[in-house]
Formats: sequence, structure tokens, C-alpha cells
Amino acid sequence: DVKVTQSSRYLVKRTGEKVFLECVQDMDHENMFWYRQDPGLGLRLIYFSYDVKMKEKGDIPEGYSVSREKKERFSLILESASTNQTSMYLCATQYAGTGDYEQYFGPGTRLTVT
Amino acid sequence: AQRVTQPEKLLSVFKGAPVELKCNYSYSGSPELFWYVQYSRQRLQLLLRHISRESIKGFTADLNKGETSFHLKKPFAQEEDSAMYYCALRGSISNFGNEKLTFGTGTRLTIIP
Repeated sequence: DVKVTQSSRYLVKRTGEKVFLECVQDMDHENMFWYRQDPGLGLRLIYFSYDVKMKEKGDIPEGYSVSREKKERFSLILESASTNQTSMYLCATQYAGTGDYEQYFGPGTRLTVT
Repeated sequence: AQRVTQPEKLLSVFKGAPVELKCNYSYSGSPELFWYVQYSRQRLQLLLRHISRESIKGFTADLNKGETSFHLKKPFAQEEDSAMYYCALRGSISNFGNEKLTFGTGTRLTIIP
């Protein structure tokens, strides 16, 4: 059974703070993703990683960076948080083998920037 | 560019009535489509994928390439079907050749008792 955990369920930060969101998986999946989920906008891909130290920009990378130093851990970094980054953040993992495109999601982190 | 459109943000259906959640896509290649569901206080999870041609929890979805649609259907709605539903398309290729999913904006389904 795939287990994807995120470091916090709720987080409140001030404008300008540096924010770290952590995601850990225990299934040895190669691919990991960060999305933000907003009402009326659905899921939008921020960044993804297909291997350790490898990353690729998604559809809305501005204001974010990521780090993947170990296979099981993928971090999302907000260098200087802004109020428009208040959102629900979802991490997902996926096996990179052909034929299986199911993504497994974490419980989400609701970030509020004040 | 690929796109997934879910025209209904909200859908309310009476228990026992048929349900249809609409999904249209645009993609130049051969699409692979999915429905994901998020129940209250639960994580987002895969409901079904078109290549499996399976029925999950009474839901089915048929890929119609002519109409570029992948509507989700269930003949008799149940209260536990209340959730957020996302349609997703596999096929967008990144600059490094990695495929990713494109999600629609979601439909919140409410089943009225």
C-alpha cells in the first residue's frame, strides 16, 4: 500500500517568510509532483521530479523552487511567501514504469499566508 | 496544447437518479484519460482509467474520440458518491520527454437524500 505523507496539514506563515513543505513516500517511486489545488482552478502542477536531483517546471513554477536530495523526499520551497500563495498543496508520487499512470496523493497541506 | 474541460463546477442530483459528470479534452495525439475523486477529508485517489474499461463503485466512463469526451456516469446515485471529481489527461510531454497529467477544474457532486 502506497504511503505518501506531508509534513503539515495546516500551516500559517507571514508574507516574506521562507516556507518549506515536505513530502515523503515509502514506495520507491521515481516520479514525484507538487500541485496546488484552488477552487475553480482545479489542480495545477508546480514542479515535478523524475529522479534524485532532477526537477522540471510544471505549469505554474513562479515563486516556487524544489529540492530532491533523496528518492523518497521531495520538498517544495516558497522563497518569499506571498498572500497569493495561500492554497492547498498536494504532493503525489508515481511509478515510472510503462503502463501505470496512477498518481498517489498525500493528504495535503493547507497553507495560509497572512 | 492539451486541455481538459469540466463545464460544471457544481452538480446536485437526487439519490437514486442518474449521474453524469462531463469531461471534454483537446489533445492531438492518442489520449489516455482518468477520473480522480476526493471524498470529504480524504486524499485524492484514482477512480477509474479508460484503458481498463472497468466499472468502479458503479461508475463507468467511455472515451468518445469523435466528441473528444470522457463523461463519468452512474445509473443510480448514492449519498456516498458526494465528492469532488477531477478528469485528467495523460499525454502532455515536458521539455525533457516526461509525461505528466493535465487535470480539469473539477466538479463537486452533491447527492441530495
